[in-house]
Amino acid sequence: EAGVAQSPRYKIIEKRQSVAFWCNPISGHATLYWYQQILGQGPKLLIQFQNNGVVDDSQLPKDRFSAERLKGVDSTLKIQPAKLEDSAVYLCASSIGPGRAFFGPGTRLTVL
Amino acid sequence: GQQLNQSPQSMFIQEGEDVSMNCTSSSIFNTWLWYKQDPGEGPVLLIALYKAGELTSNGRLTAQFGITRKDSFLNISASIPSDVGIYFCAGAYGKLTFGQGTILTVHP
Repeated sequence: EAGVAQSPRYKIIEKRQSVAFWCNPISGHATLYWYQQILGQGPKLLIQFQNNGVVDDSQLPKDRFSAERLKGVDSTLKIQPAKLEDSAVYLCASSIGPGRAFFGPGTRLTVL
Repeated sequence: GQQLNQSPQSMFIQEGEDVSMNCTSSSIFNTWLWYKQDPGEGPVLLIALYKAGELTSNGRLTAQFGITRKDSFLNISASIPSDVGIYFCAGAYGKLTFGQGTILTVHP
């Protein structure tokens, strides 16, 4: 069974630029999560989808971050414009239902 | 919001020793999960717990779901060098919330 796929693995941008990350979850997994992990910290939930509906986005900085999950499968997370403090690893995970999530390798974002 | 307090923050042990770490919360959870993260990788699921009081093992790893549903612990027996990494607890009640991690170092 293929795992969660993410791309790109690494991205370097300058502040105020835009960036997008892509995630393909495990086939059949209805729940998809985006987490932000700053160096030395635990993953922080940005947004959780159930199929293509949003379950929780209470910690998503909506003035600059957006996410969508069209057709309840793939998802994209966008940052526009990026700030220095957005430098982090962005992790995508999926699960059949809430909990027991499987993670992708992450995208390491560096904002200069 | 839900917050998890994970302890200890870091551990330095000798190969062969046993390890214990725990996670507490002011909120109840329906599911407790334990993950391990290696550098440059995403967290990997080690153990999932679904019922209060449940005790589950996976090889040298044992975890328990606390009776109050507000805590969980993970034990690693007879540690080996490849156990090095960061261990995270996570609680699920609708959304999935992570602790801050325990950094484990094993000296040969």
